[in-house]
Amino acid sequence: RKEVEQDPGPFNVPEGATVAFNCTYSNSASQSFFWYRQDCRKEPKLLMSVYSSGNEDGRFTAQLNRASQYISLLIRDSKLSDSATYLCVVTLNQAGTALIFGKGTTLSVSS
Amino acid sequence: ETGVTQSPTHLIKTRGQQVTLRCSSQSGHNTVSWYQQALGQGPQFIFQYYREEENGRGNFPPRFSGLQFPNYSSELNVNALELDDSALYLCASSLATGGNYGYTFGSGTRLTVV
Repeated sequence: RKEVEQDPGPFNVPEGATVAFNCTYSNSASQSFFWYRQDCRKEPKLLMSVYSSGNEDGRFTAQLNRASQYISLLIRDSKLSDSATYLCVVTLNQAGTALIFGKGTTLSVSS
Repeated sequence: ETGVTQSPTHLIKTRGQQVTLRCSSQSGHNTVSWYQQALGQGPQFIFQYYREEENGRGNFPPRFSGLQFPNYSSELNVNALELDDSALYLCASSLATGGNYGYTFGSGTRLTVV
């Protein structure tokens, strides 16, 4: 079983749509959680951290359920510029901890 | 403030050869991590360097090795290249170890092994 699993995608949605990405992680010792965004042939960039209380940044809302080991990202009012691959990322509670990435889910927003 | 820079941007090597990739960390960052991203996959952790010492390693064979220098820049060396080593190699720097610190990624080196 992969450490971080995401919806396979791709997601093709029209502008203005609401889209939700799901992610599960296998290691209950995972400590920190993030969503990264990666544009085609570019480096990953941090989109937002994810907290148990949930957090929102404009049109983006992230949720964490530690009991279910489940992370979600909701994008409201999708824009063309949201087209990218969204990577679910966790870290383990240890020194020298690595970012553990999911495979990514590709979003394509069309006009 | 400069970001993370990697060189070269693209590289073509022959199977069995050796390659060295370079990374300059963001100003003020003392930790460098290296990742391998194969086509259609998420990045995979290779190793991390903190204050010139290896500080964590992923599931990669010993032919993947690295260095960190006093100025916190880093090198990734891969010996005996295999076709499956073809990937985007990403360097990420951070202020310290641990996932709670922000990581800044370089734009990567795209390695093709033929």
